[in-house]
Amino acid sequence: GENVEQHPSTLSVQEGDSAVIKCTYSDSASNYFPWYKQELGKGPQLIIDIRSNVGEKKDQRIAVTLNKTAKHFSLHITETQPEDSAVYFCAASKGSNYQLIWGAGTKLIIKP
Amino acid sequence: ETGVTQTPRHLVMGMTNKKSLKCEQHLGHNAMYWYKQSAKKPLELMFVYNFKEQTENNSVPSRFSPECPNSSHLFLHLHTLQPEDSALYLCASSQGGGFGATGELFFGEGSRLTVL
Repeated sequence: GENVEQHPSTLSVQEGDSAVIKCTYSDSASNYFPWYKQELGKGPQLIIDIRSNVGEKKDQRIAVTLNKTAKHFSLHITETQPEDSAVYFCAASKGSNYQLIWGAGTKLIIKP
Repeated sequence: ETGVTQTPRHLVMGMTNKKSLKCEQHLGHNAMYWYKQSAKKPLELMFVYNFKEQTENNSVPSRFSPECPNSSHLFLHLHTLQPEDSALYLCASSQGGGFGATGELFFGEGSRLTVL
């Protein structure tokens, strides 16, 4: 069946450095790719998303890139700050109906 | 505050108990969802309600029974659960049918369930 592979499962970076999380999807019909951030004790919250007609999208310190040919997309966080520490989930739409297939999550640790 | 409220936040129950989880959204959304979150695993979609009608049931065991009396409230009734059902249960809502124009899901903080 369709799945989304997410790597790494844990990422530790020095404050101020950049962090990159990568996801690979299998459903060639997927056309919507969101990223969610989950802080401790809270539910996931959308931080950025991209649709298949766009290759890159940026919002301040976060950006997402999409390579439809290779079926992978990545989250880039620059100038990391302590408040970026959280679990990040990628997802891909299941076909075109927006039901999501989720990655297993990446725990991002920002070291002071 | 995401506009989606879940109660209780924590629940411990025996395998023979009957309990319910409640979700309420104050966002005017028409679609509501139940997800199961287990450690280091992808989020598992359980049920989707769109305009109070169930549109998705991802092969969830019958010991989980959803109820959606209106577009603002969603319940998950629990009966004779197993220890492997212990997890964080997340409720979410979205605008429009399915994911709507924006595609954004708004999650509650979850109900942590422990089955003894």
